[in-house]
Amino acid sequence: DIVMTQSPLSLPVTPGEPASISCRSSQSLLHRNGYNYLAWYLQRPGQSPQLLIYLASHRASGVPDRFSGSGSGTDFTLKISRVEAEDVGVYSCMQGLQSYTFGQGTKVEIK
Amino acid sequence: VQLLESGGGLVQPGGSLRLSCAASGLTFSTYAMGWVRQTPGKGLEWVSSINGGGNTTSYADSVKGRFTVSRDNSKNTLSLQMNSLRADDTSIYYCVKGRFPERCVDFDVWGQGTMVTVS
Repeated sequence: DIVMTQSPLSLPVTPGEPASISCRSSQSLLHRNGYNYLAWYLQRPGQSPQLLIYLASHRASGVPDRFSGSGSGTDFTLKISRVEAEDVGVYSCMQGLQSYTFGQGTKVEIK
Repeated sequence: VQLLESGGGLVQPGGSLRLSCAASGLTFSTYAMGWVRQTPGKGLEWVSSINGGGNTTSYADSVKGRFTVSRDNSKNTLSLQMNSLRADDTSIYYCVKGRFPERCVDFDVWGQGTMVTVS
């Protein structure tokens, strides 16, 4: 099974400042089609998870452009260019190459 | 696109429960669908997936042999039959939509979730 490891697990942020979350996989997520099967989700308090980023770097529909995803192979990063209050919640990465496994989640909260 | 789960509740260990997910706003048969669960306060765990045609299914090892996923494309409905339930199956179960017909790859739409408690 592919294991997903996120860091940090808790991230206090200041509105207007950037933030970054790392996700590492135990195996490469690069498919033979050239895409990395890595997605990022945000679960706001009391809500269902929502897709933010798919195929490592593609923003889902309606996601603000302050969110960006990068990385390839086994190392991936989610960046928020300027954090807003509505960005608080738990961010999870997920691999979709071999079945599906999620990272532990990173809780983002306002300082 | 909306996904609406139903069927959750309280069940005794060893019992059975059937979850349903009603999908609207999409051409249902053209997308793989699945179930993801979340133990309150903990992480997300993929449970099962089914392709758009309904003839290919996959399961997490933790539920294989106990859970069965199915779909009725004429009714835009996804189902999860859960048998031999255990305490560690207690979770919120989300119905999820994939972005492709044969495999989800990722989940671009999530339902609101339905709670299953095994006790």
